[in-house]
Amino acid sequence: DAKTTQPPSMDCAEGRAANLPCNHSTISGNEYVYWYRQIHSQGPQYIIHGLKNNETNEMASLIITEDRKSSTLILPHATLRDTAVYYCIVSYSGGSNYKLTFGKGTLLTVNP
Amino acid sequence: NAGVMQNPRHLVRRRGQEARLRCSPMKGHSHVYWYRQLPEEGLKFMVYLQKENIIDESGMPKERFSAEFPKEGPSILRIQQVVRGDSAAYFCASSPGLGPYEQYFGPGTRLTVT
Repeated sequence: DAKTTQPPSMDCAEGRAANLPCNHSTISGNEYVYWYRQIHSQGPQYIIHGLKNNETNEMASLIITEDRKSSTLILPHATLRDTAVYYCIVSYSGGSNYKLTFGKGTLLTVNP
Repeated sequence: NAGVMQNPRHLVRRRGQEARLRCSPMKGHSHVYWYRQLPEEGLKFMVYLQKENIIDESGMPKERFSAEFPKEGPSILRIQQVVRGDSAAYFCASSPGLGPYEQYFGPGTRLTVT
């Protein structure tokens, strides 16, 4: 049962911001939004996560809407190496949060 | 600080043989998770372990698959009598605990059954 909806693919020009949307309209109050990415069959890489406030780290920013039903991952200056499949995952913060459920994600292609 | 390590990176086995996949978590991490990625599919949770304990193996196939995380040494995912359908990438992840912690993934072991 899919908890998140993401577009299957997106393109972005190198150097521009990449904005990846995610819909999670059934999210509950104690569920976090996580973003991971997988670059060409490598192990998934953690990017960022948040509960209800916007978050920023050295890799990206996460904007969560006030009703928490959707979020956007922002890569401020995309490079060719950011080409990957990006997964938005909703995960409970309690005892069973370890089961990350990876959907199909969004294939982001950064073009020169 | 070394990341999650997995070995071997590539493993080829004939049908009926055994496959042993090893995972060393990040330093300070005592929680280990195994995921499988079949060709052209997403990652699927298999098992969650803490030191000397299997916490949740609900994603493991009922037969031929087993996992352990001994007090000393790496976590082991063992597949007995491999079949062609076991060909996949197996990823291990670790975290320092439960709660809203991120999981850090290793590079994976690519198992090919011939």
